[in-house]
Amino acid sequence: DAGVIQSPRHEVTEMGQEVTLRCKPISGHNSLFWYRQTMMRGLELLIYFNNNVPIDDSGMPEDRFSAKMPNASFSTLKIQPSEPRDSAVYFCASSPRTGVAPNEQFFGPGTRLTVL
Amino acid sequence: DAKTTQPPSMDCAEGRAANLPCNHSTISGNEYVYWYRQIHSQGPQYIIHGLKNNETNEMASLIITEDRKSSTLILPHATLRDTAVYYCIPWVYGQNFVFGPGTRLSVLP
Repeated sequence: DAGVIQSPRHEVTEMGQEVTLRCKPISGHNSLFWYRQTMMRGLELLIYFNNNVPIDDSGMPEDRFSAKMPNASFSTLKIQPSEPRDSAVYFCASSPRTGVAPNEQFFGPGTRLTVL
Repeated sequence: DAKTTQPPSMDCAEGRAANLPCNHSTISGNEYVYWYRQIHSQGPQYIIHGLKNNETNEMASLIITEDRKSSTLILPHATLRDTAVYYCIPWVYGQNFVFGPGTRLSVLP
């Protein structure tokens, strides 16, 4: 069982560039979550999908951020244009079900993004 | 949403039980208590959850007070690999997980 797979693991880019983070959830899971973690704000939920449909994107900081889930095995989080304050670790998580307990989420290893 | 209070940090000797408290005095009757931990540079990891009754699994035990206003996560025999940040998270259907600052547990040799 490979777990949640994220790529790249590290990304360094310059301000203004487009950044795309990728996530492959655990096979059979129907919910996918994108989180961002910084020292200042801790771990924050950005958006989550249920059966490939975005359910709650209230945590997406602004229009520069967008997320897609074209199928059950792939999701992307895009930042365009990137800014230094976007520097953070971005985690993807998946869950076999949503809305009912146990609501166990399985997290990926994260992508550490640095925007210069 | 229930608010939680956890001590910012705790130490525990290797091999001893680690008891991590969480205060959730405003928890509602249908809110579960979830515990996750995050080892340095890794994603959070689910540990255990409960509603009213005490729970035990291969990782830990969860003791919930009768009035449900607080709970304690118990790692019965802490090892160095248990050094991590531990999050106590109330959750109910329709809510998202809200991770607070948690408790930084240091297991000392």
